[in-house]
Amino acid sequence: AQTVTQSQPEMSVQEAETVTLSCTYDTSESDYYLFWYKQPPSRQMILVIRQEAYKQQNATENRFSVNFQKAAKSFSLKISDSQLGDAAMYFCAYRSAGGAQKLVFGQGTRLTINP
Amino acid sequence: ETGVTQTPRHLVMGMTNKKSLKCEQHLGHNAMYWYKQSAKKPLELMFVYNFKEQTENNSVPSRFSPECPNSSHLFLHLHTLQPEDSALYLCASSQGAQASEAFFGQGTRLTVV
Repeated sequence: AQTVTQSQPEMSVQEAETVTLSCTYDTSESDYYLFWYKQPPSRQMILVIRQEAYKQQNATENRFSVNFQKAAKSFSLKISDSQLGDAAMYFCAYRSAGGAQKLVFGQGTRLTINP
Repeated sequence: ETGVTQTPRHLVMGMTNKKSLKCEQHLGHNAMYWYKQSAKKPLELMFVYNFKEQTENNSVPSRFSPECPNSSHLFLHLHTLQPEDSALYLCASSQGAQASEAFFGQGTRLTVV
């Protein structure tokens, strides 16, 4: 079974600075997808960024980018120019490319933005 | 408008009660999911429905009974729950394509007393 580990329960960053959230995963599959989801106080999970494992290029989405290291099974999220609205719980998630359509989530990292 | 709507937002129920959670998606998706989010635990997948058929039951106790009458609606019927079942229950949907993202509702905060 696949597992996802987020080793940082809490992180904080000054507004406008850059922060990196860590995620590692374990799988024997070669084809899969990785996601970062954001959960603000409204509780809705919002997709931040997605990475296909077969793509070597790291995904970017405006101020959000990932560092995908397939051999190391590492998938970190970098948030540049942090804004107050970025404060939330961030979840790393794994999904197999085939078979059941289900996400395996990490424990989450609570990100605080200091003004 | 999130595309995935869950009702109620909050629910308090006794252990002998019967209640239902409702999820509706307006995105034309063909797969729907129930997840459980407990304090200090990762989100846990409970059920997966694909084209109204249940394709995954992640060893969920029978006191949780899902129902998917059509691709747009998903219910979770609750009966004789335990206090440890108190959690945030999240519904999600996806188009089913391999790279498709899942869209989540805002959840139902359930408290069992």
